[in-house]
Amino acid sequence: EPEVTQTPSHQVTQMGQEVILRCVPISNHLYFYWYRQILGQKVEFLVSFYNNEISEKSEIFDDQFSVERPDGSNFTLKIRSTKLEDSAMYFCASSVVRAVTGANVLTFGAGSRLTVL
Amino acid sequence: KQEVTQIPAALSVPEGENLVLNCSFTDSAIYNLQWFRQDPGKGLTSLLLIQSSQREQTSGRLNASLDKSSGRSTLYIAASQPGDSATYLCAVYNQGGKLIFGQGTELSVKP
Repeated sequence: EPEVTQTPSHQVTQMGQEVILRCVPISNHLYFYWYRQILGQKVEFLVSFYNNEISEKSEIFDDQFSVERPDGSNFTLKIRSTKLEDSAMYFCASSVVRAVTGANVLTFGAGSRLTVL
Repeated sequence: KQEVTQIPAALSVPEGENLVLNCSFTDSAIYNLQWFRQDPGKGLTSLLLIQSSQREQTSGRLNASLDKSSGRSTLYIAASQPGDSATYLCAVYNQGGKLIFGQGTELSVKP
């Protein structure tokens, strides 16, 4: 069964450093998403991406965050200058169409755990 | 703004019991609704998807129902097992295709 692949599985970084989290969505999927989950809290939407541009972003997704699809297969989330409060599990997801009706769903990756010291 | 709430926050049951997890959402104009399982420190495993036109879905010992008009969904687990111990997340799809999650119910099934 096709999978969404995320790397790294765990990254430890110092506050102020740049971090890039990588995702390989399912090959025929067109809609891409990043979510995050701070330990003990809800899974929160960060951003959605379609046709090489952001289609929606949350209040959390400020100027420190950016997303890119650099080469047609990878989908990356960059945090420019990490803060302690960026420590969380980051989940990538993809769907073949906008997952609102029918049997279309988001397929999630296993997550990348980011620890900011 | 859509809010998703899950009750109870935590539940402990003896093995073999049937149990019900509850999910409520404030805006009944939802699209699909999905239940996930999350093991500690791990990713999200999809359990059941209920499409907006459906009222329930079943998979093995799991049955999920959806009542859009009252803003509720339930996940029924039959004959619970210790391996069912995990956090169960309810999430609804909004018009933009993004998921809005509840905070989860942490289930512990004791042998």
